[in-house]
Amino acid sequence: EDQVTQSPEALRLQEGESSSLNCSYTVSGLRGLFWYRQDPGKGPEFLFTLYSAGEEKEKERLKATLTKKESFLHITAPKPEDSATYLCAVFNAGGTSYGKLTFGQGTILTVHP
Amino acid sequence: KAGVTQTPRYLIKTRGQQVTLSCSPISGHRSVSWYQQTPGQGLQFLFEYFSETQRNKGNFPGRFSGRQFSNSRSEMNVSTLELGDSALYLCASSYSGNSYNEQFFGPGTRLTVL
Repeated sequence: EDQVTQSPEALRLQEGESSSLNCSYTVSGLRGLFWYRQDPGKGPEFLFTLYSAGEEKEKERLKATLTKKESFLHITAPKPEDSATYLCAVFNAGGTSYGKLTFGQGTILTVHP
Repeated sequence: KAGVTQTPRYLIKTRGQQVTLSCSPISGHRSVSWYQQTPGQGLQFLFEYFSETQRNKGNFPGRFSGRQFSNSRSEMNVSTLELGDSALYLCASSYSGNSYNEQFFGPGTRLTVL
């Protein structure tokens, strides 16, 4: 059974205070790790896909990295508009896996001005 | 390019009723996945359709069903509604449904069962 665990559950930052969110995973064969952002009352918005250990991707103030057991989402100098729930999901290679992402519970990020 | 659309956005039903939700994927995308999101369980996979065929199914009872049409639009149906079915139902579309294509989500349908 695939497992995805995100920490912390909630994170409060001051504007400009950099930090990292963690996503640890247990899957039989990782085919991709996905990061999404979700605002209240909306569907998740795609951010990044990572496929292999050592891979990194950046977008504005966000940088995602991947190791063999976990992924980090680094937020540099966050702004209040970065406040959202950040979701991590995995796509594994085992069995019939078409279209199936297994999600973590998310990290609720609040950035205060 | 238009995004994923879902209708209706909100629904209120009573126990025992049935409901049908609709999803229109991004143009050119042939895979549609459905998810249920609740505060307690988070996002859970329901099923995936590609070219009108269900290729994958999550651990949900048979009351949850779906179908896909030749234009890739998809519907999901929940019969004999229970209070625990109250949730945000999300659909996501991708080009092929494999790990090399991102899934793009719609805004969701908020279902409340009274």
